[in-house]
Amino acid sequence: DAGVTQSPTHLIKTRGQQVTLRCSPKSGHDTVSWYQQALGQGPQFIFQYYEEEERQRGNFPDRFSGHQFPNYSSELNVNALLLGDSALYLCASSFLEGAQYFGPGTRLLVL
Amino acid sequence: GENVEQHPSTLSVQEGDSAVIKCTYSDSASNYFPWYKQELGKRPQLIIDIRSNVGEKKDQRIAVTLNKTAKHFSLHITETQPEDSAVYFCAASGKTSYDKVIFGPGTSLSVIP
Repeated sequence: DAGVTQSPTHLIKTRGQQVTLRCSPKSGHDTVSWYQQALGQGPQFIFQYYEEEERQRGNFPDRFSGHQFPNYSSELNVNALLLGDSALYLCASSFLEGAQYFGPGTRLLVL
Repeated sequence: GENVEQHPSTLSVQEGDSAVIKCTYSDSASNYFPWYKQELGKRPQLIIDIRSNVGEKKDQRIAVTLNKTAKHFSLHITETQPEDSAVYFCAASGKTSYDKVIFGPGTSLSVIP
């Protein structure tokens, strides 16, 4: 039973560029949440996808957008990258009111 | 907005001693409280969770207690081992399956052999 997977593992971009991160949920899970974790801090909720729609959003600007596909996998897109967007991006999957299980994350460095 | 506070930010204990991490939350509608352990460079891993209809839950050396009236919950690790060294995050979430999970800032636990 595969757990949550994410790609790529690492990414280097320059300011102003755009990035797409990918997440495949744990088998049997239908909900994907995305988090940003800056160094030394707790994960900060970005948004959550269920049935291909965004149903909750944290305090992140519109530069952060996402998508969920019919197979429940999800993408996180960030436009007009800023230096401050450098962080570990984590996705977590869940089913109904069950616990969230995290993927290994994508470490994004913006230069 | 919702907020979760966590104390202490760092904690050092001798191997075999107990460790206690305390969290408070602001949203009285919160009813689900997971705890995650994150080792350096790795993903957060769920170690235990508790819902508001339960005051305490135990799993081997780990226990969590919840006081809904005071809006605080705690993680207790007994007989600590060096492999317990990691950053621990508490979190709080609301009633429904789509309520966002709000994380505390983390506690860095060091277990000294």
